[in-house]
Formats: sequence, C-alpha cells, structure tokens
Amino acid sequence: GDSVTQMEGPVTLSEEAFLTINCTYTATGYPSLFWYVQYPGEGLQLLLKATKADDKGSNKGFEATYRKETTSFHLEKGSVQVSDSAVYFCALSAGNTGGFKTIFGAGTRLFVKA
Amino acid sequence: ETGVTQTPRHLVMGMTNKKSLKCEQHLGHNAMYWYKQSAKKPLELMFVYNFKEQTENNSVPSRFSPECPNSSHLFLHLHTLQPEDSALYLCASSQEGQPSRGYTFGSGTRLTVV
Repeated sequence: GDSVTQMEGPVTLSEEAFLTINCTYTATGYPSLFWYVQYPGEGLQLLLKATKADDKGSNKGFEATYRKETTSFHLEKGSVQVSDSAVYFCALSAGNTGGFKTIFGAGTRLFVKA
Repeated sequence: ETGVTQTPRHLVMGMTNKKSLKCEQHLGHNAMYWYKQSAKKPLELMFVYNFKEQTENNSVPSRFSPECPNSSHLFLHLHTLQPEDSALYLCASSQEGQPSRGYTFGSGTRLTVV
C-alpha cells in the first residue's frame, strides 16, 4: 500500500542554519505530495505542495521538489529562524474511483535555538 | 468566518461523562475527517465523511460516535472514555475529487480524561 517515510527527529539547529528534512514515499500511480507544519498548540497547516514530477513547491522560504526517480520530496530551507520550531509532516494524496486518501508521515520535530 | 473551527479548544472529562466535540467548516468542502493525535504516535485517522455519509471507520471503539448532519458540521460524541483516550483531536476538511488541494485542519480539541 501507499506509505510515507520521513526522518526521525528531533532535529536541533541554530538560527540561520540550513535545514533538510528527508521524505520518501511509496505509491501506485501519481500522487500529489505535501508538507504540513504544526506549531505548538495548533492543528496542521498546509505549508507547500507539488502535484507532478519535477514540480517545486515553495512557501515562507521552504522548498521541496517532487523527485519521481528517487520517490522523494525533501523539505529544505536555507536559513531557519526560531519561529520555524514546529513539527513537520510529509504527506501524499492519491486518487481513486472511490475518492482519495491522504497518507501522513510520522512527523519530524524541529527545534531552532537562538 | 473562514477555515475550520473546532470547539471547545480544551476539555477535561471524567470517565463517566458524556461530551461532544464540534467541528465547523466554511470552505464549501464536502469531505470531513476526525484524527487523533497522541504524544509520540503518528496521526490516526478515525472517521471519514463524504457528502455527509460515513465512508471510513478505522476500527474506532464505540465509545466514540461521530455525527455529520450536513457537509459543514461534524461532531464527535464521547462517552465512558478511558485515560488512554486523552489526546489532541483534529478535524479536517477537503474537496472530494481534488486530491491536489490538500486538507484544511482545525486547531484541535485537547482532551484530558481523568
């Protein structure tokens, strides 16, 4: 079945460091790929998405590229801030005749130190 | 008001109480979901409703009873809960047939069972 695997956390970085959170997926067909972010005490928010191979999603300085050949969608940011401390979830959505399912990864907690 | 609104934000209940969680979306979506988020566990999908009809129940104990009176409202009725049911309960909505648009989540209800 479809699945999403993301790197275990927590990830601890200093402010202005480069961030990478790895995400790989298994899916039949051509899923859409997403990164969601959950700030403390809140629900998940859609951060960025990509709907086909080689698409790059970007938002708030974060980027991820849909790599079909490596079945990956790694999240990157060139310079993290303390306010980026949150839990990040990789997800895929795959459609079928009965609707579509979204599969979430386990989440990666990011701590950014001042 | 826009987005997905969940009430209450926090709830403390005894094991013999009966309470309800409410979710309301103003996005015109036709699919709604309940998720359970426990510490150090992946997101657990509990129930899915499409066009007010329940389409998925992931082996959730009967002490959790969902209700979807229309496409904009979703309830989770709780009775005789156990301490291990303490968690963040998240509601989400989406547009059925459009997997590339992702989910919109509410801020969640933090439930504590004492």
